Amino acid sequence: RKEVEQDPGPFNVPEGATVAFNCTYSNSASQSFFWYRQDCRKEPKLLMSVYSSGNEDGRFTAQLNRASQYISLLIRDSKLSDSATYLCVVKRDTGGFKTIFGAGTRLFVKA
Amino acid sequence: DTAVSQTPKYLVTQMGNDKSIKCEQNLGHDTMYWYKQDSKKFLKIMFSYNNKELIINETVPNRFSPKSPDKAHLNLHINSLELGDSAVYFCASSQRLVAYEQYFGPGTRLTVT
Repeated sequence: RKEVEQDPGPFNVPEGATVAFNCTYSNSASQSFFWYRQDCRKEPKLLMSVYSSGNEDGRFTAQLNRASQYISLLIRDSKLSDSATYLCVVKRDTGGFKTIFGAGTRLFVKA
Repeated sequence: DTAVSQTPKYLVTQMGNDKSIKCEQNLGHDTMYWYKQDSKKFLKIMFSYNNKELIINETVPNRFSPKSPDKAHLNLHINSLELGDSAVYFCASSQRLVAYEQYFGPGTRLTVT
């Protein structure tokens, strides 16, 4: 079983839709949580950090549930430019703060 | 200004060859990383260096050897290339080992024939 699991999708949604991605992690010692975005044939870029209290950045809302070891990302009013792969990322201290990436969820937003 | 740069961008080579990929960051960061992204798009950390010191060395064949001549550079040398080494290799950096954000280079697409 992978340490960070995501639904690979693809999610195909129309512009303006609301879409939610989920991610689960297996190691309870995980300390920090993030969503990264990766466009086709490009490098990953940080989208947002994820906090237990939940955090919002414009149309994006991230949530962490430590008890269930579950992270979510909600995108409201989807734009064509949101089409990308969304990577769930977990960081834990193994003596070196290992960063573990999920395999990603593919999103296609269509006009 | 490119924050994290890698060369070459594309590398096509034959099995058994030795090749190097170079990475440089101009962000003044202490920590640098190498990741491998395979054909299934799974991004996996290979090495992590903090202040030129190796911190993380994942289960990577000995044929892969990182070298950090200074904090701004982390190069990856690969000996005796195999077909399975074909992937995109990303270099990344972060301000500190415990910093939240990692900045990635554009990637080096390695194809072994």
